[in-house]
Amino acid sequence: GQQVMQIPQYQHVQEGEDFTTYCNSSTTLSNIQWYKQRPGGHPVFLIQLVKSGEVKKQKRLTFQFGEAKKNSSLHITATQTTDVGTYFCAGRDGAQKLVFGQGTRLTINP
Amino acid sequence: KAGVTQTPRYLIKTRGQQVTLSCSPISGHRSVSWYQQTPGQGLQFLFEYFSETQRNKGNFPGRFSGRQFSNSRSEMNVSTLELGDSALYLCASSLVADMNTEAFFGQGTRLTVV
Repeated sequence: GQQVMQIPQYQHVQEGEDFTTYCNSSTTLSNIQWYKQRPGGHPVFLIQLVKSGEVKKQKRLTFQFGEAKKNSSLHITATQTTDVGTYFCAGRDGAQKLVFGQGTRLTINP
Repeated sequence: KAGVTQTPRYLIKTRGQQVTLSCSPISGHRSVSWYQQTPGQGLQFLFEYFSETQRNKGNFPGRFSGRQFSNSRSEMNVSTLELGDSALYLCASSLVADMNTEAFFGQGTRLTVV
C-alpha cells in the first residue's frame, strides 16, 4: 500500500532559526494535506496542495508540492515558540483513505 | 458549530477486557475515520465509515472493529485488550468521503491497558 515518509523525525532549533520538514510518498498523490498537532492536542488542518509544483504561503509558513506530486515540504521562517508541535503530512491513497506520515516533532529553544 | 466530540477522554482497562469508544462528528459530516496514535508510530489508520458503511480498513487485527449509526455517530470496539493497545485513539470527521476534504479531529481518547 501507499507509504508516506517524513523526515526528520525530530528537529530542535533556536528561536528565530528556520525549520523544514520533508514528505515523500511511494506513489503519486492526488493532493497533499498538512496538519499540526500541539503537545497534548489533536491534529489541526493547516493547508492542502493539489497542483503539481504548487507553492502556498501562510505568514511564515511555506508549503510546496513537488512537480511529480510525490513529495512535499513545509518551511517555517524565523521560528517562534508558538510553532512548537508535530507537523504531519497526509495523502489519500487509491482507496481514498488519508494516510499520514510519521510526523516531524519540532521543539524550540527560546 | 460544535467540533468532533470523543468520549471518554481517558480510559484505563485491564488486559483481556474489551472497550468501546465513541465519536460524534461535526454536524452534517458523514465521513468518520479512526486513527491510533502511539509515540514513534505516527497516526495509524484503523477504518473509515461513510453513510453507515465501512469504506476502508487499515491493517489491524480483527479485535478492532467499528460501526457508524444513521446520525453519523461512530463507535469503535477493541476486544481482548493487549498492553500494546495502549494509545491515543483519534476520530476525524469530514463533510464527505472525498479526496479534497480536510479532516477535523477530536481530542482523542487516551486508552491505557494495564
